[in-house]
Amino acid sequence: DAGVIQSPRHEVTEMGQEVTLRCKPISGHNSLFWYRQTMMRGLELLIYFNNNVPIDDSGMPEDRFSAKMPNASFSTLKIQPSEPRDSAVYFCASSSTQGIGELFFGEGSRLTVL
Amino acid sequence: GESVGLHLPTLSVQEGDNSIINCAYSNSASDYFIWYKQESGKGPQFIIDIRSNMDKRQGQRVTVLLNKTVKHLSLQIAATQPGDSAVYFCAENRGLNNAGNMLTFGGGTRLMVKP
Repeated sequence: DAGVIQSPRHEVTEMGQEVTLRCKPISGHNSLFWYRQTMMRGLELLIYFNNNVPIDDSGMPEDRFSAKMPNASFSTLKIQPSEPRDSAVYFCASSSTQGIGELFFGEGSRLTVL
Repeated sequence: GESVGLHLPTLSVQEGDNSIINCAYSNSASDYFIWYKQESGKGPQFIIDIRSNMDKRQGQRVTVLLNKTVKHLSLQIAATQPGDSAVYFCAENRGLNNAGNMLTFGGGTRLMVKP
């Protein structure tokens, strides 16, 4: 089975541009998570969806960040406008259980904002 | 100016030796813990998990120990191999209502295996 698929793998953009990161969770998984990883702050949870509904977005840094999950097989994380401090690796993860259990991570999208 | 980054503890071991990676967690309400391995340029990969009603769980070459009294978790890797070189993260599910599978990650430990 295919794992969590993220695109793009790498993106380099200029400050002020809009960035859209995409994620396809594992088929049948009902929970989806966006994490951000930086050297300064490690792995931080940004937002969590369950059955396509955002459950906890307290980790979203500010209004420039938004995430959507229009259906069970697709999610986007958008940054508009982007800033150099947004440079990081963004991971999407999915999970099949409502309770507790393993999260399956994608390979990440490395974003560089110049 | 000089940038300050997250300092990753590093454990350096000889190939064939056993490795022990430690993690302290803060929330006594946490009821589920996972160890992940992250290789360079890749996403975190599941290694082993343990629920709070257990104090030890074994996998293939790996053992996780949980001490709830002192809120401490450890990962033991037997006969460490060069392929074990990676950053290892512990993560906890804080058992909050409606938290589902929301995991909070520790800062990570870098394991370097010398051939």
